Amino acid sequence: DAGITQSPRYKITETGRQVTLMCHQTWSHSYMFWYRQDLGHGLRLIYYSAAADITDKGEVPDGYVVSRSKTENFPLTLESATRSQTSVYFCASSDRQGSNSPLHFGNGTRLTVT
Amino acid sequence: AQSVTQLGSHVSVSEGALVLLRCNYSSSVPPYLFWYVQYPNQGLQLLLKYTSAATLVKGINGFEAEFKKSETSFHLTKPSAHMSDAAEYFCAVSPAGSSASKIIFGSGTRLSIRP
Repeated sequence: DAGITQSPRYKITETGRQVTLMCHQTWSHSYMFWYRQDLGHGLRLIYYSAAADITDKGEVPDGYVVSRSKTENFPLTLESATRSQTSVYFCASSDRQGSNSPLHFGNGTRLTVT
Repeated sequence: AQSVTQLGSHVSVSEGALVLLRCNYSSSVPPYLFWYVQYPNQGLQLLLKYTSAATLVKGINGFEAEFKKSETSFHLTKPSAHMSDAAEYFCAVSPAGSSASKIIFGSGTRLSIRP
């Protein structure tokens, strides 16, 4: 099916572990984004990518690493997970750069760091 | 600098009643404005967007929003609530002429519908 697929949907990990959240889109959208959603904060941008091999920091990038070797994939890695990174993570894409371009979201990954 | 404020983290209305979800924004340049809806265990979906054409914007599922520059508001309304409208709603602002990475989301309003 076309769209954005995030995996896993749920993940429990321990403090200090490395964990990678996957994001795959079938639209060939150039722009991809990672957000975290926390109660009372709405969505905050972690990293984004304008194209393959082009990534940039968002509002809250510390503790996260991204890569984009292929247009359709945009994995997010927590190099050493902390409890403050317990959150729901959303991947999104857009086919245009403009600020009037709507974002298309995946269904999210709920990450718990113990 | 830009910001968006959603008044009321939780709104409860009866089925068939008017839905009003409030959103005020702050932006140094003309903004684009969005409403997204999030159903349980799902990602956000675009409900409607304002991009400086008509000030009254109609979206999906009978929702509409009116851009009021003098009040810096973009409130979301629906004349008659349905049980299926129960969800979280996010207002978002993005300065015109910038990139999609500059969008700022409000903290969300959870809409409950009473039978």
